[in-house]
Amino acid sequence: DIQMTQSPSSLSASVGDRVTITCRASQDIRNFLAWYQQKPGKVPELLIHAASTLQSGVPSRFSGSGSGTDFTLTISSLQPEDVAIYYCQKYSGALKTFGQGTKVEVK
Amino acid sequence: QVQLVESGGGVVQPERALRLSCAASGFSFSKYAMQWVRQAPGRGLECVAVISYDGINKNYADSVKDRFTISRDNSKNTVYLQMNSLRAEDTALYYCARDHAISGGSWGVLDYWGQGILVTVSP
Repeated sequence: DIQMTQSPSSLSASVGDRVTITCRASQDIRNFLAWYQQKPGKVPELLIHAASTLQSGVPSRFSGSGSGTDFTLTISSLQPEDVAIYYCQKYSGALKTFGQGTKVEVK
Repeated sequence: QVQLVESGGGVVQPERALRLSCAASGFSFSKYAMQWVRQAPGRGLECVAVISYDGINKNYADSVKDRFTISRDNSKNTVYLQMNSLRAEDTALYYCARDHAISGGSWGVLDYWGQGILVTVSP
């Protein structure tokens, strides 16, 4: 089974900071990588699919990159409403695998 | 608009059974695969079961294989999760989600989620 590993597990940054989260797959998943945002007490929401394609309605400060085994989610200018847990997910197959999540907090 | 509404959760004793339902509306249900995803308290996300658009193909996480069964009724726009032999570690919020093959193929991303239904397994 393909494993997804995120780092860091948590981070704290100031409003306006650039934030980067990484996700590594244990095998090549090409670009079948999605990112989800789960705000406190809320349902997960799809942010990015195909490693770098922004879902409709997602602010442009979010971006994704990578292919193969190494991927990155970047928030170019952190906003208070970005406080959430971010999950990567490989979807190359029927049953999806999520990373363990990265908790983003604002200082 | 797309809506997914789960029902059937609650408190159940270990080794008992429970059936979850997810009623879909606002899209052509019979054209999409559907997933059940769970989240234990304070934990991450785990896909436990998926069913193809036509109900033919089904896959399960190892943690629930041989205990849980996913099914669907396209005439009722509903997907089900039959959970047997429940264990304490099955305690979680269970979400149903639409599987959108956004890049082509049979499977894809989870682009719409229900609000979730809580299942608590306790003596």
